[in-house]
Amino acid sequence: SYVLTQPPSVSVAPGKTARITCGGDNIGRKSVHWYQQKPGQAPVQVIYSTTDRPSGISERFSGSNSGNTAALTISRVEAGDEADYYCQVWDSLIYHCFFGGGTKLTVL
Amino acid sequence: QVQLVESGGGVVQTGRSLRLSCAASGFTFAVSPMHWVRQAPGKGLEWVAFLSNDGTTDTYADSVKGRFTISRDNSRNTLYLQMNSLGADDTAIYYCARDREDGSFDFWGQGTLVTFSS
Repeated sequence: SYVLTQPPSVSVAPGKTARITCGGDNIGRKSVHWYQQKPGQAPVQVIYSTTDRPSGISERFSGSNSGNTAALTISRVEAGDEADYYCQVWDSLIYHCFFGGGTKLTVL
Repeated sequence: QVQLVESGGGVVQTGRSLRLSCAASGFTFAVSPMHWVRQAPGKGLEWVAFLSNDGTTDTYADSVKGRFTISRDNSRNTLYLQMNSLGADDTAIYYCARDREDGSFDFWGQGTLVTFSS
């Protein structure tokens, strides 16, 4: 099993930058994916392969990964960014997926 | 456009079985690996199962291994999840999701809810 650790909550003022971390053993060697989930809705992918944005996702969303910490950065935060965010990795040796516990982003 | 529509959820009693379906459209289903992911009320996402595009490779989370079976019918563009020996811990919204072919999920259905009655 591979454990991914996220902070339960992050708060940020509108217009500022939010950074949501995802910790894991040598996660810097892995490809990390991120999802946004708003209340009552299905998750939406916002970053794949650590740094790539799916079509239609704002360039304000970016990803990074090094050592034991991956991060999702949201610049110029807007009220509409308030949601739960999940990191995820795929183990291609055993074909298993692992999710972080999720981080609730609050826009003050 | 890509659409995934789950069905088959409902209220079940402990120990009973249920089969979920996920109807796919808007893409070539037969070349896409697929997953089931669940979310218990107020909790985070939990991966449940994976199935390769041709149905030859399937894997499961430890919490469901031996009880759940993922399958697909490429001629019907449909993914299934057979759930046996259900318990209260299986209460969740069940989502099907398409694999981007890098182990990430680029499209998700709206989910189907499985709940329990005592």
